Amino acid sequence: DAKTTQPPSMDCAEGRAANLPCNHSTISGNEYVYWYRQIHSQGPQYIIHGLKNNETNEMASLIITEDRKSSTLILPHATLRDTAVYYCIVRPWSTGGGNKLTFGTGTQLKVEL
Amino acid sequence: EAGVTQFPSHSVIEKGQTVTLRCDPISGHDNLYWYRRVMGKEIKFLLHFVKESKQDESGMPNNRFLAERTGGTYSTLKVQPAELEDSGVYFCASSPPLAGVINEQFFGPGTRLTVL
Repeated sequence: DAKTTQPPSMDCAEGRAANLPCNHSTISGNEYVYWYRQIHSQGPQYIIHGLKNNETNEMASLIITEDRKSSTLILPHATLRDTAVYYCIVRPWSTGGGNKLTFGTGTQLKVEL
Repeated sequence: EAGVTQFPSHSVIEKGQTVTLRCDPISGHDNLYWYRRVMGKEIKFLLHFVKESKQDESGMPNNRFLAERTGGTYSTLKVQPAELEDSGVYFCASSPPLAGVINEQFFGPGTRLTVL
């Protein structure tokens, strides 16, 4: 699976947008970009995924650059409950490539008052 | 709908003892995964079941670990004998049948294993 690079930590003021970057310069054409997060003492939680188009759901937006070498997860109005470690994961869509998630070190997002 | 459940939530055992972790996936999810995070390290994949069959067990660290999913429902992960380095949090996840589309994985809260 392609490797991802994320900043180790970020801070965000409550109510502001949190923009979490991820570099995945070696991503292959059949690989999706997935974002998960892990709130302290809980299991990882799926947030969003995309292939090449921007995606939005009730939790977040995902912006993928045209060359697909990087992406940004946007939490439009961060709250204290969004404090967590955020993982950017690239993963092939082909079932032959396996469905495991390869977690890196992620970004520790701290939302403050 | 009930999520993925894991039992126990915490386990403290002595080196050399045996521990069995249990995971109940979301009903109807054919795919079941085990992951673990050992102290200070990243979350690592252990293995993947499709129903009762092991699809990928490339992440199993050694033969002290045995995973089963008899009947394709719940799964157990046995560690025998446990070593100090096995301490960590063990996560289970499940996802619906693939049908050609990669699905999100739903994680349980994890079992925190401490080996003394």
